[in-house]
Amino acid sequence: EDQVTQSPEALRLQEGESSSLNCSYTVSGLRGLFWYRQDPGKGPEFLFTLYSAGEEKEKERLKATLTKKESFLHITAPKPEDSATYLCAVQAWGSQGNLIFGKGTKLSVKP
Amino acid sequence: DVKVTQSSRYLVKRTGEKVFLECVQDMDHENMFWYRQDPGLGLRLIYFSYDVKMKEKGDIPEGYSVSREKKERFSLILESASTNQTSMYLCASSTGGSSYEQYFGPGTRLTVT
Repeated sequence: EDQVTQSPEALRLQEGESSSLNCSYTVSGLRGLFWYRQDPGKGPEFLFTLYSAGEEKEKERLKATLTKKESFLHITAPKPEDSATYLCAVQAWGSQGNLIFGKGTKLSVKP
Repeated sequence: DVKVTQSSRYLVKRTGEKVFLECVQDMDHENMFWYRQDPGLGLRLIYFSYDVKMKEKGDIPEGYSVSREKKERFSLILESASTNQTSMYLCASSTGGSSYEQYFGPGTRLTVT
């Protein structure tokens, strides 16, 4: 069964304290892995798509990487405005565009 | 920018009422999706559509139906609302071409009393 597991469930950082969020996945054939940011009471906001092992994408303080079994979202020198829940999702080949979502990591960055 | 809009941000309905949630996207996307999101359970797919008048059941379709009469509009219908359908409802769309990232609307917080 295809599934996505994110860890940790919650992460508290001090401003400037870099860290990583993990997304482990099992899927029959990976077509793409997606990262989203979700603020409280709002819809998820698309961040990155990764397609193959070794690929990396960056946006401001965020960098996403992909291996054959997991993806990491690295946050460098985070700021309080980076506080949000980060969701990971995968798409399998032949899935008609459906994504399988993890339950997310809730990140809190304290000033 | 892709824009997905939902008809209401907050909605309060009574048990047994028929509820309509509407979603509109402006990017000519083929695929549209309805999810519900609950604490501890994450995002769960209710229904999706990959073409006009086409619909497919997701993981939790019971108690829901959908309608897609036009490409840009996808409606979720709760035939007889129940308290266990109190949730955040999220609509999303995707191109279905070479990239399948989904773009989400702002969500509708539905409370059934």
